[in-house]
Amino acid sequence: DAKTTQPPSMDCAEGRAANLPCNHSTISGNEYVYWYRQIHSQGPQYIIHGLKNNETNEMASLIITEDRKSSTLILPHATLRDTAVYYCIVRHQHQGGKLIFGQGTELSVKP
Amino acid sequence: GAVVSQHPSWVICKSGTSVKIECRSLDFQATTMFWYRQFPKQSLMLMATSNEGSKATYEQGVEKDKFLINHASLTLSTLTVTSAHPEDSSFYICSVEPPGHLSDNEQFFGPGTRLTVL
Repeated sequence: DAKTTQPPSMDCAEGRAANLPCNHSTISGNEYVYWYRQIHSQGPQYIIHGLKNNETNEMASLIITEDRKSSTLILPHATLRDTAVYYCIVRHQHQGGKLIFGQGTELSVKP
Repeated sequence: GAVVSQHPSWVICKSGTSVKIECRSLDFQATTMFWYRQFPKQSLMLMATSNEGSKATYEQGVEKDKFLINHASLTLSTLTVTSAHPEDSSFYICSVEPPGHLSDNEQFFGPGTRLTVL
């Protein structure tokens, strides 16, 4: 499985954009990039995923570099409720649905 | 998103007893569910894949005789921690994936069950 590398923690001011980086330099052509977040003592929540094109939904934008070796999750206007651990995960097309979680980035949104 | 429930949300038990945790998919039928465990300040660790109508597939290092998984219906999977000990105290989380092309589906997670073994 391709592994991901994320900074352990980040701070962001409320109302500003939060840009969370993820390195996945060994990703293969049929692996997707998924982002989940986990608010303290809750189950993870799906945010967004993509293969090679940039993606946007109501929660966030996902920017994947052209070589697919890294990506950035963007929360355009962070709020205090966005404080959570954010996980970047790569998943093989035929992995049988498994999500293998790394250590993630603990994002703290401050007033 | 789809709703996944877990019961109980928390449980305290004595060492040596068995505890059953339920995971229900409320919005769709799921042939596959997943069980994770999370210790404090750590990431989620996949324990096993629960397959409806067949045996669960356990990850390396997870004792199948200690963590019994039963996926008896398309909406219910249960995890039984047998002969629980304090080191089994953890946050247990299940997830469900909708049917369809596996690589393009999101998984929906339950709210988790906090197990404390005294």
